[in-house]
Amino acid sequence: DTGVSQDPRHKITKRGQNVTFRCDPISEHNRLYWYRQTLGQGPEFLTYFQNEAQLEKSRLLSDRFSAERPKGSFSTLEIQRTEQGDSAMYLCASSSRVSPETQYFGPGTRLLVL
Amino acid sequence: TQLLEQSPQFLSIQEGENLTVYCNSSSVFSSLQWYRQEPGEGPVLLVTVVTGGEVKKLKRLTFQFGDARKDSSLHITAAQPGDTGLYLCAPSSGSARQLTFGSGTQLTVLP
Repeated sequence: DTGVSQDPRHKITKRGQNVTFRCDPISEHNRLYWYRQTLGQGPEFLTYFQNEAQLEKSRLLSDRFSAERPKGSFSTLEIQRTEQGDSAMYLCASSSRVSPETQYFGPGTRLLVL
Repeated sequence: TQLLEQSPQFLSIQEGENLTVYCNSSSVFSSLQWYRQEPGEGPVLLVTVVTGGEVKKLKRLTFQFGDARKDSSLHITAAQPGDTGLYLCAPSSGSARQLTFGSGTQLTVLP
């Protein structure tokens, strides 16, 4: 399967702990996006990479959130000092140079902060 | 800031019925994507429409992009239980890198 993959699929953590999620985009896709989705809502944009450069960050991305894409391939999203309000589905998507607006999503990581 | 509205918010129908869901905005889009999302999974891309007035068919699904590129509709013929899911529209406006999603239409097709 050459689609977008995310790991882990589910994460339960206690408030105050740090968590890290990984996303592997479709190979040869130079753009990678992180979104967050809460129940009953559509995904909300968090941040975007073109190759290894982080080009855009949403105001939703507080100082406790950091994302990296060191080699322009996989990406990690870390949340420090998690809060209950961070509970959500974290989605990763990727797109190509040829069709940048057509984004393909991974299965997501469901985070529950207790 | 563009306002994006999807309607209806919820739709429950019997197997075999036809339905249409809508995506409307006050802004002009360069393209628009439709996705379907099942519980606990990521959105799955159904189609991208680019040209005003464009109609695309995907088996029993017909997608239309408005002439002014401000709205779109998705029509499903003879709905099946497998069509159940959250239908999301996500337009892009050229300069924006990210997609802006509507809240979606939650469709339930009862057997």
